[in-house]
Amino acid sequence: GAGVSQSPRYKVAKRGQDVALRCDPISGHVSLFWYQQALGQGPEFLTYFQNEAQLDKSGLPSDRFFAERPEGSVSTLKIQRTQQEDSAVYLCASSLGVSGTYNEQFFGPGTRLTVL
Amino acid sequence: AQSVTQLDSQVPVFEEAPVELRCNYSSSVSVYLFWYVQYPNQGLQLLLKYLSGSTLVKGINGFEAEFNKSQTSFHLRKPSVHISDTAEYFCAVSDPAGGSYIPTFGRGTSLIVHP
Repeated sequence: GAGVSQSPRYKVAKRGQDVALRCDPISGHVSLFWYQQALGQGPEFLTYFQNEAQLDKSGLPSDRFFAERPEGSVSTLKIQRTQQEDSAVYLCASSLGVSGTYNEQFFGPGTRLTVL
Repeated sequence: AQSVTQLDSQVPVFEEAPVELRCNYSSSVSVYLFWYVQYPNQGLQLLLKYLSGSTLVKGINGFEAEFNKSQTSFHLRKPSVHISDTAEYFCAVSDPAGGSYIPTFGRGTSLIVHP
């Protein structure tokens, strides 16, 4: 496809369950970002990959959050032992170049996670 | 760390009227500024950006914004809105001098265009 895709689009989890959210970036894009968008808020940065290297994970809220991009393309955000405060839309974005210069980020539609 | 304040959480306006969505950022020596639009159940789309140069920036869909360094503002304007402009609008800032091109977003302004 031409844009960033994310799956699933909607996920309902019971508190304590583990979830995995997938992001397919635009083909050839080096950089990949994850953001968390709580209801009524703007997106907040979680983590950044340059190819397969996770260069910045300063935004991950706890050690229950883990992200990987093993082959430098598809990325997975995993949340272990989900809590109600994890309920949010998780956005993925990709950009062509590296983070040291400006590159436009292209966003996916997001995964809406609801933890009951 | 940079921060962004969007002064209005909701802006109702009639179709074909002008609109201004306000954005202020915390001061820094140099900043990159952005406006994004988010339609329901969709990701963010870049409307326009200020990196350097002219302080008046034109974007897609007839929107424009003016960078005002003395007032640390980057307000978004459109002279005549359409129903299809109803969406959530986010202002964002990044601090390239600090080595980060990752944007910090405001809380968003919901633009509601009435017929």
